[in-house]
Order: sequence, then structure tokens, then C-alpha cells
Amino acid sequence: DIQMTQSPSTLSASVGETVTITCRASQDISNWMAWYQQKPGKVPKLLIYKASTLESGVPARFSGSESGTGFTLTIHSLQPEDSGTYYCQQYLRSSTFGQGTRVEVK
Amino acid sequence: EVQLVESGGDLVHPGGSLRLSCVASGFDFSRHWMHWVRQAPGKGLVWLSRIETAGGKADYVDSVRGRFTVSRDDAKATLSLQMDSLTAEDTAIYYCVRGRGWALDNWGQGTLVTVSS
Repeated sequence: DIQMTQSPSTLSASVGETVTITCRASQDISNWMAWYQQKPGKVPKLLIYKASTLESGVPARFSGSESGTGFTLTIHSLQPEDSGTYYCQQYLRSSTFGQGTRVEVK
Repeated sequence: EVQLVESGGDLVHPGGSLRLSCVASGFDFSRHWMHWVRQAPGKGLVWLSRIETAGGKADYVDSVRGRFTVSRDDAKATLSLQMDSLTAEDTAIYYCVRGRGWALDNWGQGTLVTVSS
């Protein structure tokens, strides 16, 4: 099975800041990576797929990228409504989610 | 508007069985992969299973393979999950999810399964 290591587990940042969340896969997954946002009491929402493709209707302040160290979700100009938990998902072989990153907006 | 409505969640004893259903509307169900994802209380997301179109290939996470069976009825736009040999570790909210392939783009509200004696 492909394991996903997501970091940090929690982060706190102020409105307007830029934050990054990283996911590393236990093996090469090409660009078969998606990111989801889950607000408290709500169902998850697809943000990004194929590592960097923004889902329709998702604000452009969200972006995804791949680097040598893994995959990154970046939230530019953090907004209060961005509070929630973010999950990465690999789908090269079957599918696995990361453990989640809880984002608090101060 | 895409709608996915799960049902069938209940309290069940360890070793018991349960069948979840998900009725889809607002899109051409037959053209989409469908997935099940679960979330234990206060925990993260766990992908469980998917079924391709035309009742094609299905696969499962290791922890449920051999115990859970996914199926679909395109005529009724319904996805099902038969769950057998349930244990306390299966206690979770179960989500029915539409896929664009593997990208999970629409989620139901979930149905709660509690396994307890």
C-alpha cells in the first residue's frame, strides 16, 4: 500500500498570510494527487486534482504543486473561511488519504 | 444539482452485517465511478472502495477486502455497500462519493454505522 505522510498536523496563521501543507508519498505517484478541505460538521470538498489542477469554483488563492520533497497545497492570503482540516489523497494505485492538517485562522 | 443520499446506517453487534445504500440524482449516474469513504468520529478520511462504470472493476482497501462488497444498479441510480463481519473498528460515518475517476467531486452527507455490543 502507498502511505501518505502529511505535515504539519496543525497550523495557525493570521488572515492574509500564506500557508503551505505538504504531503509525501511512500513511493512515486506521478501527479496522481488531490487535495480536499473539510470544515467542521461538513463533508469534504475537492480543491485540487492531478496535483495542480484547481477544481471549478475553488478560489484561486488555493494552489497545488509538486516538488522533489513531495506535494504542496498553498493557501495565499488566508481568509477566515479557510479554517478547517485539509487532506491529501493519492490515487496512483487504489487510494489513500493523508492524516489531515487542521488549519486555524487567527 | 448533484445529490447523493445515503441510508442504512444503524447500530449493529460485532460480527453482524449491514447494507448501505446511496441514491444518486442530478447527474448521469451510469457514467461515473462511485466510491465509499468513511470517517471514524474525530478521525481522518479513509477510502474504502470504488466501482467503475458498467458494473465493472471494483476494488477495496485491505482492511475491508473480503468483508465488504460494493455494487451498483445504474437503472435505479443506486450504489450499495454490503458490510459483513463488522467490528468496532468499522464504526464511522460512511460517505457515498461521486468520482471523476479518482477525483472525489461530490459527497453525500453520510450515514452513521455503529458497531457495539
